[in-house]
Amino acid sequence: EAGVVQSPRYKIIEKKQPVAFWCNPISGHNTLYWYLQNLGQGPELLIRYENEEAVDDSQLPKDRFSAERLKGVDSTLKIQPAELGDSAVYLCASSLGQGQSSGANVLTFGAGSRLTVL
Amino acid sequence: AQTVTQSQPEMSVQEAETVTLSCTYDTSESDYYLFWYKQPPSRQMILVIRQEAYKQQNATENRFSVNFQKAAKSFSLKISDSQLGDAAMYFCAFKYGGATNKLIFGTGTLLAVQP
Repeated sequence: EAGVVQSPRYKIIEKKQPVAFWCNPISGHNTLYWYLQNLGQGPELLIRYENEEAVDDSQLPKDRFSAERLKGVDSTLKIQPAELGDSAVYLCASSLGQGQSSGANVLTFGAGSRLTVL
Repeated sequence: AQTVTQSQPEMSVQEAETVTLSCTYDTSESDYYLFWYKQPPSRQMILVIRQEAYKQQNATENRFSVNFQKAAKSFSLKISDSQLGDAAMYFCAFKYGGATNKLIFGTGTLLAVQP
């Protein structure tokens, strides 16, 4: 079974340019997460989807970041315009859906998309 | 708000020796789960071990075991017979029980394994 697939793995752009990251979760996983990981730090949640609904986007900087999960499967995270401070790794993860015992659900992570903004 | 603290930014262990990574957390919830994730230099985050808060027995997965002290809100990871492939960043993480799916990470501990 394929794991969580992310692309691109690496992206270098100039500041003020747009960038987009794509994530394909594990089949059957209704919950999808986007995490931001700065160098040497733990991942921080940007947004969490349950199916196609964004149920937790409180940490997403909405002035420049946007995300979508059409049809409740693949997801795209966009930054426009990018700033120097956006250089980081963007991790996508998925898990079984929210429900009574969802605390036990294990997140499976993708390999991440490393963004460098010059 | 729930917080997860890893007080050891870096640790080192000799191959075949045992090392313990520390983690403390703060929560007022009684139903939750704790995890240790490993992130090798390739950056793919991999689950190492999971502990349910309602279980008193410490979880064990081969060479990896935890010391879960619920009253002290402590959740340390012990790696026995350390191998070169264990070198990675290790993250402790907290997850609510019940009907939410939110995972909160600590800042990580970078483990070096010396041959």
